Parts: sequence; C-alpha cells; structure tokens
Amino acid sequence: NAGVMQNPRHLVRRRGQEARLRCSPMKGHSHVYWYRQLPEEGLKFMVYLQKENIIDESGMPKERFSAEFPKEGPSILRIQQVVRGDSAAYFCASSSQASTGTVNSPLHFGNGTRLTVT
Amino acid sequence: GQQVMQIPQYQHVQEGEDFTTYCNSSTTLSNIQWYKQRPGGHPVFLIQLVKSGEVKKQKRLTFQFGEAKKNSSLHITATQTTDVGTYFCAGRSGFTGGGNKLTFGTGTQLKVEL
Repeated sequence: NAGVMQNPRHLVRRRGQEARLRCSPMKGHSHVYWYRQLPEEGLKFMVYLQKENIIDESGMPKERFSAEFPKEGPSILRIQQVVRGDSAAYFCASSSQASTGTVNSPLHFGNGTRLTVT
Repeated sequence: GQQVMQIPQYQHVQEGEDFTTYCNSSTTLSNIQWYKQRPGGHPVFLIQLVKSGEVKKQKRLTFQFGEAKKNSSLHITATQTTDVGTYFCAGRSGFTGGGNKLTFGTGTQLKVEL
C-alpha cells in the first residue's frame, strides 16, 4: 500500500523561476495538507484541500503561492517567481477524513520536497 | 491565531536517561497528536489523545493530555539511540465540523549520546 508520494525530492530553482511540487495522497485519502518547514524549525500550515476544493488556505502567502487538488491527478503546490526566502522543505500530508467530533484522522506525510532557490 | 509552544527546544541526554517534552497551546484543544521526525525524514504519527486528563502508553513512551486540554507531555523512559529525532505535538482548536487543520508545536529535538 503506497504511502504519500511527493516529487521531486529535491528541486533547485533560480530566483524568478517557478516551482511546482506534486503530491499524490495515500490510496483512499481525499484530504491533502501542505506544510512548510525551515531548517531547525517546526511545520507551518499552508493549505488544506479536498478534491477540487480549497478548504483552508489561511497559512498560504497571498501572492505567488497557489495550490490545487484536481479531480484527477496529484495535488500541486505552485510557487511563482521564487525568492531565496522560499527555500525550505515542503511536506504534503493526507488523511482519510476530516474530523468526527473531537477525533482527527492522523496525517500521513510524504518524504517532502526540498526546494533550494539560488 | 492559535499558537502551540514546546519546551525544551533541544535536549541532549545520555542513553538510559529519561526525557520529557512539554506542549502548551494558547487555546483549548479538541485533541492532541504527537509526531516524530527523524533527522532528514518526515513526521510520523505516534498517537492521539482526546479526553481531558487522558494518559496513554506505548512501550517506553507515556503521553498525557492536561485536564484543561491546553497542554500535553511526552515522557520517554530510559532513552535509546533509536529515540533520536524531533518530537512535535499538534492540535486542533475547538470543534468546527469539517475543519481538520492541525497546528504543530515548535518541536523538541532529542539527541541521545552513548
């Protein structure tokens, strides 16, 4: 049973280029989350999506960043006109459902994409 | 917005010593989850606590959820080198039906020396 698949594992971009990060959730999971992690720091929530819908994008910068989770295919996190400050590890996670009362479904994380902007 | 802090930020122990990390939320939580991230790896789910005052054990790991559901702790007895990594708590504030966003704590990085 394949886990959460992210690609590429490493991505190098020059300032001003676009970065596209892909995430295929675990089989049967319809909830996808993107988190950003800077070296030696915690995980910062960016966006939460279900198929074809953005549920919560409160953690995503208003400019240059966008995310989608189409009906078919992986979720995509897109960063336009990258800057050095975008260098980080971007983790995607998926879960089988949202909350049921006070219980959350655990998040299953992918191996992440390490983005380096030169 | 909701903030989740963990202390300490770093902890170095000798193998065999105990270790504890504390997690404090600025708001009451519906539940708390704990994750472990090995160096260079990705976070892996360990456990979820839901009830006020709940205590759960996994071998040498003991997890507690505070009575007010605003804090939690993870205690490791007799650490081993395999315990090395960063431990994160993660919580969701209140009950919002379809809301499933987890706010992660700042993490505690554990190093175990022989």
